[in-house]
Amino acid sequence: KNQVEQSPQSLIILEGKNCTLQCNYTVSPFSNLRWYKQDTGRGPVSLTIMTFSENTKSNRRYTATLDADTKQSSLHITASQLSDSASYICVVSAPRSSASKIIFGSGTRLSIRP
Amino acid sequence: DGGITQSPKYLFRKEGQNVTLSCEQNLNHDAMYWYRQDPGQGLRLIYYSQIVNDFQKGDIAEGYSVSREKKESFPLTVTSAQKNPTAFYLCASSISGANQETQYFGPGTRLLVL
Repeated sequence: KNQVEQSPQSLIILEGKNCTLQCNYTVSPFSNLRWYKQDTGRGPVSLTIMTFSENTKSNRRYTATLDADTKQSSLHITASQLSDSASYICVVSAPRSSASKIIFGSGTRLSIRP
Repeated sequence: DGGITQSPKYLFRKEGQNVTLSCEQNLNHDAMYWYRQDPGQGLRLIYYSQIVNDFQKGDIAEGYSVSREKKESFPLTVTSAQKNPTAFYLCASSISGANQETQYFGPGTRLLVL
């Protein structure tokens, strides 16, 4: 069973609209949660990082929320632009100094239509 | 993609052939990582290194080998023992390897089997 589940798998919205992507995780104990943006054929780029004590973090038109009690996070994109078309990956880390304790979700593929 | 370069962008492997993927970084990071990305799946860790001349197996190391002779370089060899090598390979680096650090990814290499 995946320890980081993302939904939906894919999403198509019109330019200018808002959308929300979901991430549920079972990783425990928990250290931090990141959202990455990955353009097609490129490497992921970090958007936000949240620790256990944070419940919201914004980066321009991206706002991430975290509920550590329910083990859920969301990424809200406001006023979408064509350049937002990409895969968005949720990544959860456990509190150990080991790369093997970083778990990647399979991503949500977002398409913005003009 | 920060200061991480990967080459080549596309690589073709024949049956029984070993191939080497290049990864170089100029960020002065101690830690480097190799991930494999398959459609519909999260990134999976192949190998990582937190210091020169030392590296650790990740979750799917079988059929792969690495070396870390220089801080800037972390080449990955896909050996003939890897029976399903077709995938998108991503190299990343971080400051020291602690899992709360941001990882910076290269642009990736797509490996195809002839």
